[in-house]
Amino acid sequence: GESVGLHLPTLSVQEGDNSIINCAYSNSASDYFIWYKQESGKGPQFIIDIRSNMDKRQGQRVTVLLNKTVKHLSLQIAATQPGDSAVYFCAENNQAGTALIFGKGTTLSVSS
Amino acid sequence: DSGVTQTPKHLITATGQRVTLRCSPRSGDLSVYWYQQSLDQGLQFLIQYYNGEERAKGNILERFSAQQFPDLHSELNLSSLELGDSALYFCASSVRGAKETQYFGPGTRLLVL
Repeated sequence: GESVGLHLPTLSVQEGDNSIINCAYSNSASDYFIWYKQESGKGPQFIIDIRSNMDKRQGQRVTVLLNKTVKHLSLQIAATQPGDSAVYFCAENNQAGTALIFGKGTTLSVSS
Repeated sequence: DSGVTQTPKHLITATGQRVTLRCSPRSGDLSVYWYQQSLDQGLQFLIQYYNGEERAKGNILERFSAQQFPDLHSELNLSSLELGDSALYFCASSVRGAKETQYFGPGTRLLVL
């Protein structure tokens, strides 16, 4: 079946550290992946996306890495700040390409 | 602010009732998606509309229905509500399809008592 999961439900880091959030996906035919950040009481907020013809994509303080061989996706956040504290979800398009399948999320806690 | 709006923000109702949730997509977006987020199930795709037509269905119950109007706003109708329907309901929109960035609204928190 289709599923997207995360390796760790929680991650605690110190302010200024780099954070790495991991995600494993099961559908080898998926060709679009996306990371969202969800703060308490708010809707998911787009962070960065990547298509399967790329291995790496960088944004502002964030980098997404895609390893299609092992079906693994990661989000790297540089110089993590308290404002980065949230739940992070990875998602992939479903087999039909008509919807996003979300993982269960990793809660990132940043202490100062 | 994603540009996607949802009303109401909160809704409290009783079992057996019917409610309607409303969503306005970002300007220029033709696709609208509905998702349900509960503590034990995470974010679950319910249904997608594209330019007024239903395009894809996910884990949507028969008691739930949706539509997209000519002005592209969408409504999600939930009927015969049960306690287990209590959840956050999100609307998202994209320009065309699901292989593009979907921008989410702030959600409607539904509590069924």
